[in-house]
Amino acid sequence: GIQVEQSPPDLILQEGANSTLRCNFSDSVNNLQWFHQNPWGQLINLFYIPSGTKQNGRLSATTVATERYSLLYISSSQTTDSGVYFCAVRQDTGRRALTFGSGTRLQVQP
Amino acid sequence: NAGVTQTPKFQVLKTGQSMTLQCAQDMNHNSMYWYRQDPGMGLRLIYYSASEGTTDKGEVPNGYNVSRLNKREFSLRLESAAPSQTSVYFCASSGPGQGVYEQFFGPGTRLTVL
Repeated sequence: GIQVEQSPPDLILQEGANSTLRCNFSDSVNNLQWFHQNPWGQLINLFYIPSGTKQNGRLSATTVATERYSLLYISSSQTTDSGVYFCAVRQDTGRRALTFGSGTRLQVQP
Repeated sequence: NAGVTQTPKFQVLKTGQSMTLQCAQDMNHNSMYWYRQDPGMGLRLIYYSASEGTTDKGEVPNGYNVSRLNKREFSLRLESAAPSQTSVYFCASSGPGQGVYEQFFGPGTRLTVL
C-alpha cells in the first residue's frame, strides 16, 4: 500500500515563531488532508488539498502532486497550535479510505 | 447539523465481553469508515462502507464486525474483546458527490479492555 512519511516527528517552538511541516507520499493520490489533533484527542480538519495551495488565517498548505509531497505552514504560532498534525492521503485506485502518516507533534511554548 | 456523532465516549470492558460502537452522520454522505488510533500513532482503517449495503475490510479487521444499518448509521462490534483492542476508535464519513473525498471525523470512543 501507499506509504506516508511526515517530518519532523517532533517540533518545539516559541510563541510567535513560524514552522513548516512536510508530508511525503509514495503513490498518486486523489485526496490529501491535513488534520490537527488537539490535546483532547479531537481531529480537526485543516485542509482538503489534493493539489495546489490554500490559506486559512495563519495556516497555509501546498501540495505538489507530481512530486508527491505536501507542506503545511504555520505562521506566528500560538500555544493553542500545540498538538499533533497528521497528513492523510487516499490513493487514486483501490481502497477509498485514508492512509495516515505518523504525525508531527508540535509544542508551542509561551 | 451535528456532523459525525459517536457513542459511547468512553467504555471499559473485561476480556471476552462484547460491545457495539455506534456512529451516525447527518451530512448525507455515502461512505463511512471506522479507524483505530493506538498511542503515538496515526489512524488505521478497520472497515469501511462505500455505500449503503456494502462493507469492506480495511488494514486491521480481525476481531471486529460492522453493520451499515442505513445511509446515516454505521456500527462497529467487538464480539469478544481482547486487551489488544484497547484503543481510541474514530468514525468518519465522506461524500456525497462525485470526486468529493474529504473525510470528516467524529469525536472518538476511548475503549479500555482489561
